[in-house]
Amino acid sequence: EIVLTQSPGTLSLSPGERATLSCRASQSVSSSYLAWYQQKPGQAPRLLIYGTSSRATGIPDRFSGSGSGTDFTLTISRLEPEDFAVYYCQQYANSPRDTFGQGTNLEIK
Amino acid sequence: EAQLLASGGGLVQPGGSLRLSCAASGFTFGSYAMNWVRQAPGKGLECVSAIGTSADSTFSADSVKGRFTISRDNSKNTLYLQMNSLRAEDTAVYYCAKRSTNTWYTPFDYWGQGILVTVSS
Repeated sequence: EIVLTQSPGTLSLSPGERATLSCRASQSVSSSYLAWYQQKPGQAPRLLIYGTSSRATGIPDRFSGSGSGTDFTLTISRLEPEDFAVYYCQQYANSPRDTFGQGTNLEIK
Repeated sequence: EAQLLASGGGLVQPGGSLRLSCAASGFTFGSYAMNWVRQAPGKGLECVSAIGTSADSTFSADSVKGRFTISRDNSKNTLYLQMNSLRAEDTAVYYCAKRSTNTWYTPFDYWGQGILVTVSS
């Protein structure tokens, strides 16, 4: 099983600041198979980024993804109030044994 | 736009059974692989079952193998999860999720609203 470890567990920032979220894999993951999701309380996850760096339909360009091998990053360039949520990375290289990270809680400082 | 509407959750005693359904609309259901993903209270996401475009390709996580069965009826645009021998640790919100293509090696681009399953005496 590919284990994904996200850091930090909680990130406290203010609107307008830059957020950098990390996802580390227990073994190398092809960059084609790494995604990021946003989840707000009481809602289903929403796909933000797939293939490490491609934005899903309707996702604003302040969200960007990067990385390779075992280290991947989600960056939010300037935080908007609606961006405060929990973020999960997912690997689907080993589908159907997809795995998710444990999540990063992005909270308002 | 694709929509997924889950139903069938609720409270069940340990050892009991439930069947979840997920009605799909807004896309050609039979052309996409589908999953059930669960989230225990306050926890992260876990893929529990997956099914290909035809019913002969299925997968279940070790945590539910032999107890949960995923199926689909492409004529009814509906995904199912039959859950037997339920345990307290199966308590979670269950999401149906659509793959972005007909293969498993793609992300989940649409999710249902989530349905709560509570296993408790």
